[in-house]
Amino acid sequence: KAGVTQTPRYLIKTRGQQVTLSCSPISGHRSVSWYQQTPGQGLQFLFEYFSETQRNKGNFPGRFSGRQFSNSRSEMNVSTLELGDSALYLCASSLNPGRNYGYTFGSGTRLTVV
Amino acid sequence: AQTVTQSQPEMSVQEAETVTLSCTYDTSESDYYLFWYKQPPSRQMILVIRQEAYKQQNATENRFSVNFQKAAKSFSLKISDSQLGDAAMYFCAYRDEYGNKLVFGAGTILRVKS
Repeated sequence: KAGVTQTPRYLIKTRGQQVTLSCSPISGHRSVSWYQQTPGQGLQFLFEYFSETQRNKGNFPGRFSGRQFSNSRSEMNVSTLELGDSALYLCASSLNPGRNYGYTFGSGTRLTVV
Repeated sequence: AQTVTQSQPEMSVQEAETVTLSCTYDTSESDYYLFWYKQPPSRQMILVIRQEAYKQQNATENRFSVNFQKAAKSFSLKISDSQLGDAAMYFCAYRDEYGNKLVFGAGTILRVKS
């Protein structure tokens, strides 16, 4: 079965612009989480969505937002991009939230802000 | 807040040899999950092995095994019969009993020499 699909794979944006990243979870998975990966800060949790509701949120400014659609696909949006937003953004899906369910990660979207 | 520490930024191993990657964590909870993920150059985070804190028996997956020392809050990964395909960044991660976010360590780059 298809894995977690993230689009686009690469993205270059200018400071001040906004960007939307997409994540399609494994079929049947209803929970989607987002992580930011940078050389300096490592992997940091952004947010988790389940049944179109944000279940959990990390310590990121309000410029970072997300949503989940009825088909479980998720998007994350970053407004007013800063150079420090350059990162690999990873999406992970799970059958359901909760400790008994493992994550499957996508290959990420590499965002470069210039 | 939970923290995960990987003290080895980089490790090398000869093909067919055994290598151990270290991980320590800090938590006040008694029930949680621990994971080792592998991230090859393809960027996708791949689950290697997971351990449930309430299980005393160390988890094993083929050539991969863990040494889980709950009292010492230590969770090391042993890779036996190392293969060239094992070369990657390895992350140790913690997940609380409620299934909230993964907290990752900084990662260890594993190089496999032929």
